[in-house]
Amino acid sequence: GNSVTQMEGPVTLSEEAFLTINCTYTATGYPSLFWYVQYPGEGLQLLLKATKADDKGSNKGFEATYRKETTSFHLEKGSVQVSDSAVYFCALRRSAGGTSYGKLTFGQGTILTVHP
Amino acid sequence: SAVISQKPSRDICQRGTSLTIQCQVDSQVTMMFWYRQQPGQSLTLIATANQGSEATYESGFVIDKFPISRPNLTFSTLTVSNMSPEDSSIYLCNHHRSGINSPLHFGNGTRLTVT
Repeated sequence: GNSVTQMEGPVTLSEEAFLTINCTYTATGYPSLFWYVQYPGEGLQLLLKATKADDKGSNKGFEATYRKETTSFHLEKGSVQVSDSAVYFCALRRSAGGTSYGKLTFGQGTILTVHP
Repeated sequence: SAVISQKPSRDICQRGTSLTIQCQVDSQVTMMFWYRQQPGQSLTLIATANQGSEATYESGFVIDKFPISRPNLTFSTLTVSNMSPEDSSIYLCNHHRSGINSPLHFGNGTRLTVT
């Protein structure tokens, strides 16, 4: 079945540091990949997505590239801010068809704390 | 993309009671899903809400505990029945439209505390 594995946290960085949160997946076919962010006390927001190999999703300075050869979708940001402190979830969705279509499989989440 | 409204946003309930959570989408969508996020955990899919037929439940979730309705293509409800403190979680709905590039957005969730 499908699965997503994220690097364990929590991750603590100083402001303006470089961020990488690793995400690898196991899936049949060609899933779509997503990063979601959950700020303290809030719901889940879609941060970025990629639907095919070599696609790069980007938003708010965050980037992730769909690497089929390494089954990875690592999240990066060149310079984090205090306001980026949140929980980040990597997720995949089956590519098309069947009873699993549309369902999201989530990684366990990575807590990011950015200090001034 | 369709906007999702979920209510209530939070509630505190006594054990043994039931709570119905509503999810409204502002346009017709093919699929609606219900997820649970237990404290400090990731999201787990409870079920797929099917329009005009019974919901499809994931392993570990049953209709008696989490009855779901989907009367039309824009609305669904999830009931958490006979609650216990272990049901304290955030419950979230999301939707999907046909089309491989359709993003999957979530409502703000319902934060449930059972005492």
